[in-house]
Amino acid sequence: EPEVTQTPSHQVTQMGQEVILRCVPISNHLYFYWYRQILGQKVEFLVSFYNNEISEKSEIFDDQFSVERPDGSNFTLKIRSTKLEDSAMYFCASNRGRMNTEAFFGQGTRLTVV
Amino acid sequence: AQTVTQSQPEMSVQEAETVTLSCTYDTSESDYYLFWYKQPPSRQMILVIRQEAYKQQNATENRFSVNFQKAAKSFSLKISDSQLGDAAMYFCAYRSANGGAAQGGSEKLVFGKGMKLTVNP
Repeated sequence: EPEVTQTPSHQVTQMGQEVILRCVPISNHLYFYWYRQILGQKVEFLVSFYNNEISEKSEIFDDQFSVERPDGSNFTLKIRSTKLEDSAMYFCASNRGRMNTEAFFGQGTRLTVV
Repeated sequence: AQTVTQSQPEMSVQEAETVTLSCTYDTSESDYYLFWYKQPPSRQMILVIRQEAYKQQNATENRFSVNFQKAAKSFSLKISDSQLGDAAMYFCAYRSANGGAAQGGSEKLVFGKGMKLTVNP
């Protein structure tokens, strides 16, 4: 069964460093998303991406964040200068079509900023 | 803005028994989707069941069923014949059906805070 794959599973980085979280969505999916979950809290939407551009973003997704689909298969989330409060589980999701279909989630990347 | 509320942070159930997880939501939209996601200790988010708001019939997936009360904005999940593998965090989620941001709607999932289900042998 096809699945969304995220790498790495765990990333530890120093405050102020740049990190790139990688995702390979399901191959025939067209819509891509990043969500995050701070430990013990709810899952929060960050950004959605379609047709090589951001279609929606939340207030959390400020100038420190960017997304890219560099090669038609990977979908990346970059955090330019990490803060302690960026420590969270980051989930990538993809969707075949926007309407009437559910999003499939990857297994998540745990980001720890020290 | 839409909100999703899961008022019970934790519940427990005996193996083979039935448990109901509650969820309420608030929206001014008439067309939307509701979901229950399961998050086991591995942390992956797994879709359990989905309900379209325009459908009156409650969704069912094997041991999982929902009680969707649109007027009351309630969306509870019933797990029958609970198994040890059902132990997980369960999240209720909402998504607009009114198109994406360009159409004035939203594609994002709005999640509740989650509920931890323990299954006792």
